[in-house]
Amino acid sequence: GQNIDQPTEMTATEGAIVQINCTYQTSGFNGLFWYQQHAGEAPTFLSYNVLDGLEEKGRFSSFLSRSKGYSYLLLKELQMKDSASYLCAVSNAGNNRKLIWGLGTSLAVNP
Amino acid sequence: GAGVSQSPSNKVTEKGKDVELRCDPISGHTALYWYRQSLGQGLEFLIYFQGNSAPDKSGLPSDRFSAERTGGSVSTLTIQRTQQEDSAVYLCASSFNQPQHFGDGTRLSIL
Repeated sequence: GQNIDQPTEMTATEGAIVQINCTYQTSGFNGLFWYQQHAGEAPTFLSYNVLDGLEEKGRFSSFLSRSKGYSYLLLKELQMKDSASYLCAVSNAGNNRKLIWGLGTSLAVNP
Repeated sequence: GAGVSQSPSNKVTEKGKDVELRCDPISGHTALYWYRQSLGQGLEFLIYFQGNSAPDKSGLPSDRFSAERTGGSVSTLTIQRTQQEDSAVYLCASSFNQPQHFGDGTRLSIL
């Protein structure tokens, strides 16, 4: 079957670094996405990985290992506004652009 | 418009009534998705439109749910004979390839 796993909740301290992991088992693979969703708001796109390796974008980086079915989102220099849910989603191969979504990781950043 | 627009932003209705939710995607986006999100839960895929192809309705939870996309643009999600378990935030997203861009959602409350 199709499955995406990520931790339900995480807590970190302002100014620190946090890594949110995502593992997936899907019938095909055409890229992995990370989205951020603040409470009561719509998800917003953070990053996209289709090749192995690290993609850096400011304070946020995303890593992918296709052979291990594994990704992580790395948040540096945490700020209070980073408190949100982080959603991992995988695109199946082929023309079907429907994403398979994880349940999200709720991150709380404490002062 | 600049982003995905959904209306109404909030809808309160009595059990048994029909409701229509509207989504106006980003101009030029060929793909349109409807999701449902209950409080504290992940995204539940409902239906996906891609260009002129037949929609993927595999996520619709019952035959009370239906959706149309007219002229390859605006979409309407209809829920007939609403039940209390239909209460949720209904999110629409659109894309040209990827990533998906989300609207702010419609918060539906069934009394």
